[in-house]
Amino acid sequence: AQSVSQHNHHVILSEAASLELGCNYSYGGTVNLFWYVQYPGQHLQLLLKYFSGDPLVKGIKGFEAEFIKSKFSFNLRKPSVQWSDTAEYFCAVNAPRGSARQLTFGSGTQLTVLP
Amino acid sequence: EAGVAQSPRYKIIEKRQSVAFWCNPISGHATLYWYQQILGQGPKLLIQFQNNGVVDDSQLPKDRFSAERLKGVDSTLKIQPAKLEDSAVYLCASTWGGMQTQYFGPGTRLLVL
Repeated sequence: AQSVSQHNHHVILSEAASLELGCNYSYGGTVNLFWYVQYPGQHLQLLLKYFSGDPLVKGIKGFEAEFIKSKFSFNLRKPSVQWSDTAEYFCAVNAPRGSARQLTFGSGTQLTVLP
Repeated sequence: EAGVAQSPRYKIIEKRQSVAFWCNPISGHATLYWYQQILGQGPKLLIQFQNNGVVDDSQLPKDRFSAERLKGVDSTLKIQPAKLEDSAVYLCASTWGGMQTQYFGPGTRLLVL
């Protein structure tokens, strides 16, 4: 079964600092990759996704992620974080499980941005 | 476009009681999912429906959990009887098909005492 690892459980940054959140997955076949974000008091929402093509994908609010197939990684980046980026970030992989495709989530990274 | 609706938002019950959660997916979405998110962990899939049929329920604890989507639209998830370890947020998500982006509801936060 596929698994997803997020290396950092809690990251604390000051505003304007650069961000990189790590994500590695275990499945060796074709995958779809996602980053979801959950702002305080809100529901999970899509930040960005990779299905195919350019491995560098851009999402909302200035976030981007790079798919490196050889490293089974899909790291999330932002050049300059803002206080409003404080949230929990989840990496997820959509891969086959039996006859269906299933979304498997990492354990999440809590990002706190200090003003 | 209306999002995924869930109710109730919060529920507190005692162990061994039963509880039910309701989900109404985005209109036209054929695939519906129920996830369990325990504090400090990512969501874990419990069951996946395609229209009114079950696609995958391999991670659903069937001795106490059940789910249905009788008319292929809204769905209910039931726990009977509840255990302390069932305390979690139960998320519903929907999508057009299995490979597409899943849209999540606000979740139901369950506390079992």
